[in-house]
Amino acid sequence: DVEMTQSPLSLPVTLGQPASISCRSSQDLVYLDGDTYLHWFHQRPGQSPRRLIYKVSNRDSGVPDRFSGSGSGTDFTLKISRVEAEDVGVYYCLQGTHWPRTFGQGTKLEIK
Amino acid sequence: QVQLQESGPGLVKPSETLSLICTVSGGSLNNYFWSWLRQPAGKGLEWIGRIHSDGGTNVNPSFESRISLSVDTSNNHFSLKLISVTAADTAVYYCARDGMKGEATLMDFWGQGNFVTVSS
Repeated sequence: DVEMTQSPLSLPVTLGQPASISCRSSQDLVYLDGDTYLHWFHQRPGQSPRRLIYKVSNRDSGVPDRFSGSGSGTDFTLKISRVEAEDVGVYYCLQGTHWPRTFGQGTKLEIK
Repeated sequence: QVQLQESGPGLVKPSETLSLICTVSGGSLNNYFWSWLRQPAGKGLEWIGRIHSDGGTNVNPSFESRISLSVDTSNNHFSLKLISVTAADTAVYYCARDGMKGEATLMDFWGQGNFVTVSS
């Protein structure tokens, strides 16, 4: 299985400050069609995951532009330019290229 | 806006079969793959398998010997059966829209989740 390694696993951030989460895969995530199927999800307590970013850097509809994704190959990053209170929760990366699909362990963002 | 809703029992006895249905509204099942995932309490997400509207499936090898996936396009729902369950299968089970043929997994829409406890 492709291992997805996120860091840090815990991320205390002051409101208004930036935050960054790393996701590294054990294999290259480029698919047959040339796209890279690395996505980012946000899960608030008691809720289902919500996709924020798809195929590395594309923001989903309604996602604030303070969220951005970047990376290639096996190394990816989710950045929040200025953390707001609603950003708390757990962030997961997902690789949708290889079988079976696998997620990172999750990064818990909390407000300091 | 596509919406998904899981339904099924919240309690299943050990060694019995867990059965869940995911009903899709606001869009058609046709031409998409539809996934099942799960999340034990306080833990991360695990992909179980997916089914296309034409019945084709892909399954996580961890579940291959125990699961059955089916789809009912006339009623716009798809189903998961997991046999011989144990306490380790206790989790919130999610369904999600996976993607179309020719592309890999996108997982853009998710259900709210169905918490299943395996206990006697």
